[in-house]
Amino acid sequence: GAGVSQTPSNKVTEKGKYVELRCDPISGHTALYWYRQSLGQGPEFLIYFQGTGAADDSGLPNDRFFAVRPEGSVSTLKIQRTERGDSAVYLCASSLYRGGPSSYNEQFFGPGTRLTVL
Amino acid sequence: AQSVAQPEDQVNVAEGNPLTVKCTYSVSGNPYLFWYVQYPNRGLQFLLKYITGDNLVKGSYGFEAEFNKSQTSFHLKKPSALVSDSALYFCAVRATPMNYGGATNKLIFGTGTLLAVQP
Repeated sequence: GAGVSQTPSNKVTEKGKYVELRCDPISGHTALYWYRQSLGQGPEFLIYFQGTGAADDSGLPNDRFFAVRPEGSVSTLKIQRTERGDSAVYLCASSLYRGGPSSYNEQFFGPGTRLTVL
Repeated sequence: AQSVAQPEDQVNVAEGNPLTVKCTYSVSGNPYLFWYVQYPNRGLQFLLKYITGDNLVKGSYGFEAEFNKSQTSFHLKKPSALVSDSALYFCAVRATPMNYGGATNKLIFGTGTLLAVQP
């Protein structure tokens, strides 16, 4: 079946511009996550959606970053007034969620969007 | 603080030899642990997970990992390495919610270990 898809695969923008990154999760996955991976580092959590609502946005670095998931499927990560330090690969992941303390499903990752801010 | 450590930036092993990629963690409560592999220009692929039960977990492509609670470790192993196993490997732990009743399923990743298997 289809995996997680992300568009665009590459995005080059100028400092100060606004960008949107899109994620299509695996069909039926209620949980969706955004991570950011800088060169030589592991992925760093940004935000987690359960359905349409953001259950945990503690990883968003500042108020320039915002994400939505209006219909509980596709999600868009929005970055305003981009800075050179925002350059990274932005990863999206999705998972099933059955709930309960001993039930936890692995996250399936998309190929990422490489954002370069000049 | 909740964290994952992968003490080796790179592991070199000859094809056919056993391999170990090390991981230690720090998290409150019972840990949920994961290994992912990343090939060049591709996304992270899930290998295996430990949630509860048997300390030896078997996963994809012949990989396994051993959970050791007393040493807070979750090392990745394979009895016989292949050249095609060469990739970047990440260990991750599910974060414990900071507040009682809080919701999070976020993963905390290590910095990754580059596995290089020589023919």
